[in-house]
Amino acid sequence: DAKTTQPNSMESNEEEPVHLPCNHSTISGTDYIHWYRQLPSQGPEYVIHGLTSNVNNRMASLAIAEDRKSSTLILHRATLRDAAVYYCILRAIAGGRKLIFGQGTELSVKP
Amino acid sequence: DAGVIQSPRHEVTEMGQEVTLRCKPISGHDYLFWYRQTMMRGLELLIYFNNNVPIDDSGMPEDRFSAKMPNASFSTLKIQPSEPRDSAVYFCASSFTQGLLAYEQYFGPGTRLTVT
Repeated sequence: DAKTTQPNSMESNEEEPVHLPCNHSTISGTDYIHWYRQLPSQGPEYVIHGLTSNVNNRMASLAIAEDRKSSTLILHRATLRDAAVYYCILRAIAGGRKLIFGQGTELSVKP
Repeated sequence: DAGVIQSPRHEVTEMGQEVTLRCKPISGHDYLFWYRQTMMRGLELLIYFNNNVPIDDSGMPEDRFSAKMPNASFSTLKIQPSEPRDSAVYFCASSFTQGLLAYEQYFGPGTRLTVT
């Protein structure tokens, strides 16, 4: 399975944008990029996913590098409720619905 | 929608006892996943089902663990006999085949298991 590399932790100020990086240099052409987050004492929740093009939804934006070896999750205005562990996950089509979670990035948001 | 429901939310048991964790997926979802989360190993996929049939159980740690899905609205994860190293938070998740959103997994609140 292709691996992802994320910083262990990041800090942000409230109401400022946050860019969470993810490296996946061994990604294959059919791997989807998924982002989930886990708030304290809760189960993970889906944030966004994409294949090649940048994606936007109500929660965040996903910017995918042209060579697909890295991607960035963008929270446009961080709130205190965005403090969570963010996971970048590659899902291989051949792997079916299997998601393999890494250690993620712990995001803290300062008021 | 009530979301994925797990019970119990907390379970404390003694080593050697049988433990049964329960999950009710979101109505209409056709995939169900069981995960385990510990500080040491992070979040691990144990097994997942499609239309009540186990598809991949390669993450099940050993024969002490078993999972069943007798119908579309109920699944169990059983540990027999339990050991202290099984202490973890166990999450159940479900997802639905619906185009691009088919890959979105909805997680339950988890069951915190402590084996003494």
